[in-house]
Amino acid sequence: QAALTQSASVSGSPGQSITISCTGTSSDSDVGGYKYVSWYQQHPGKAPRLLIYDVTYRPSGVSDRFSGSKSGDTASLTISGLQPEDEADYYCSSYANTIVVFGGGTKVTVL
Amino acid sequence: QVQLRESGPGLVKPSGTLSLTCAVSGDSIRSLNWWSWVRQSPGKGLEWIGEIYHTGSINYNPSLKSRLTMSVDKSKNQFSLNLDSVTAADTAVYYCARDLNYFDYWGQGILVTVSS
Repeated sequence: QAALTQSASVSGSPGQSITISCTGTSSDSDVGGYKYVSWYQQHPGKAPRLLIYDVTYRPSGVSDRFSGSKSGDTASLTISGLQPEDEADYYCSSYANTIVVFGGGTKVTVL
Repeated sequence: QVQLRESGPGLVKPSGTLSLTCAVSGDSIRSLNWWSWVRQSPGKGLEWIGEIYHTGSINYNPSLKSRLTMSVDKSKNQFSLNLDSVTAADTAVYYCARDLNYFDYWGQGILVTVSS
């Protein structure tokens, strides 16, 4: 199955807000048709960490600087008040007919 | 606190079988969760391998389905992965994760290298 499409890289200065997009293959499947969109942060050499689930929900312990949204077949992750520790890779994920698909990942650089 | 830990050989010969186990603590493998495997080739993104429920129901990544076997051992609270006919392309860090339609707990990952 085709992976979800993410921009390869996004950068911003400390304190700024950035948005990472995740586009599905069609409006009736994966991102467009499902509420099960999630986002993960991964630092080098570490396991991914859940940031957002079910499009907009934050697990306990995740900063409210991270927020999720969805419009049509595109989901978005916004990081507000960018901090140096936010420099990492970010992945979106969704379900498509009992199959899980991931985006290709977005590298966030804090300038 | 839920913890997952992968174990298995770090080196597998080409054409051989990659076998990994994920031990779960802090949650029962019989709970209302699925349990997944995800891998990451060096320098690449995440790839979902498949998921299993304690009843034995399984969903596989279609691109790997023909080579995959997954199982659950309820007595040991763990689940396992077998990937047959491996090649260098299967070299990756393999993660196990708790699956609630999202992955909230992950193992630390285990690097498996396919090489002679």
